[in-house]
Amino acid sequence: GAVVSQHPSWVICKSGTSVKIECRSLDFQATTMFWYRQFPKQSLMLMATSNEGSKATYEQGVEKDKFLINHASLTLSTLTVTSAHPEDSSFYICSAWSSSEPQHFGDGTRLSIL
Amino acid sequence: AQKVTQAQTEISVVEKEDVTLDCVYETRDTTYYLFWYKQPPSGELVFLIRRNSFDEQNEISGRYSWNFQKSTSSFNFTITASQVVDSAVYFCALSDYQAGTALIFGKGTTLSVSS
Repeated sequence: GAVVSQHPSWVICKSGTSVKIECRSLDFQATTMFWYRQFPKQSLMLMATSNEGSKATYEQGVEKDKFLINHASLTLSTLTVTSAHPEDSSFYICSAWSSSEPQHFGDGTRLSIL
Repeated sequence: AQKVTQAQTEISVVEKEDVTLDCVYETRDTTYYLFWYKQPPSGELVFLIRRNSFDEQNEISGRYSWNFQKSTSSFNFTITASQVVDSAVYFCALSDYQAGTALIFGKGTTLSVSS
């Protein structure tokens, strides 16, 4: 069946580094991709909605200059955490949707900033 | 505004016990989707069920069953004869019926099944 691939699974890096996370729909074209964030022992919170070829829509309280989203093709969206700090450490998970597929989630990326 | 409430933060049971995870939702929409996901310690979300608001029939899949009651805005999940492998965080979620909308998640219920 349809699969969403998210890469990398784990990232550990120093404070101040920028980190890019990729979300790919493997066998379908994703009109819309969503990025969620999950802090330890908390729920998943929507960060932004990404539509191919247009600017992402960010949820209230999410800094668009810090969390750069690019959805350049129908199969790839990227989230770049710029100048990451320890408070950005979290579990980031994407999901992809098209009119022919229900929403599918990636396996998530654990980001640890030292 | 849409909201999903999972009042049970943590539940502990012994293997073979039945357990019900509660989910209450709020929405002004007349049409919507409800979901349940399982999140094991490894972190990925495992899709369990999607139910649209038109269909109030209860569903059974193996040891899993779901009770959708529109009158009480509830979508409860029961695991029969629980097993250690059922230990995980379970999320209930809600979305618009309109295609391509994000999910609103409850806070999750951590289920611990001991042998």
